[in-house]
Amino acid sequence: GEDVEQSLFLSVREGDSSVINCTYTDSSSTYLYWYKQEPGAGLQLLTYIFSNMDMKQDQRLTVLLNKKDKHLSLRIADTQTGDSAIYFCAEIIAFRLIFGQGTELSVKP
Amino acid sequence: DAGVTQSPTHLIKTRGQHVTLRCSPISGHKSVSWYQQVLGQGPQFIFQYYEKEERGRGNFPDRFSARQFPNYSSELNVNALLLGDSALYLCASRLNDRVIRTGELFFGEGSRLTVL
Repeated sequence: GEDVEQSLFLSVREGDSSVINCTYTDSSSTYLYWYKQEPGAGLQLLTYIFSNMDMKQDQRLTVLLNKKDKHLSLRIADTQTGDSAIYFCAEIIAFRLIFGQGTELSVKP
Repeated sequence: DAGVTQSPTHLIKTRGQHVTLRCSPISGHKSVSWYQQVLGQGPQFIFQYYEKEERGRGNFPDRFSARQFPNYSSELNVNALLLGDSALYLCASRLNDRVIRTGELFFGEGSRLTVL
């Protein structure tokens, strides 16, 4: 079946690196995504990676993709209190996104 | 440039009523999708429209319907509302024409529906 799994909570100290992990199911997914959702808000596209890539870096964000294990991770360097939010990974199957349940990142000063 | 815009932002309905939610995609984007996000969960796919045609439908009852207009804006309609329809309804747009394929898929801020 289609299931994207994430751990539910992550707590880090300001200035540390955060690593949010995700496993997905469909090896034919062309793109994999990370979205950020702040309380009461919509989904903000943080980054996405094409399935033929292993890594993508964008400023403080690094995405690693392990296709063999169907594992995706998002590393946030120098985590700030403004990074506190829920982070969703998603895979695209045909025309639709399949989301995980979200990881709530709490950044403590 | 404006992002994906949705209206209304918040609304309250009672059971059995009908609701229409609206979405305007990013200028130039031809594909619009709708998602339902129940509190504490990830979004669930409802519909995708491309060039005014339905291209996909999620596991939702026939009470849910949608359409896309010539200007690529879209409406989501829900009939005979149930308490369980209370959720944040998100619209996403993507360029995705025959020439340009991109992974960029942008969401609006959503319409928060409360059914009493």
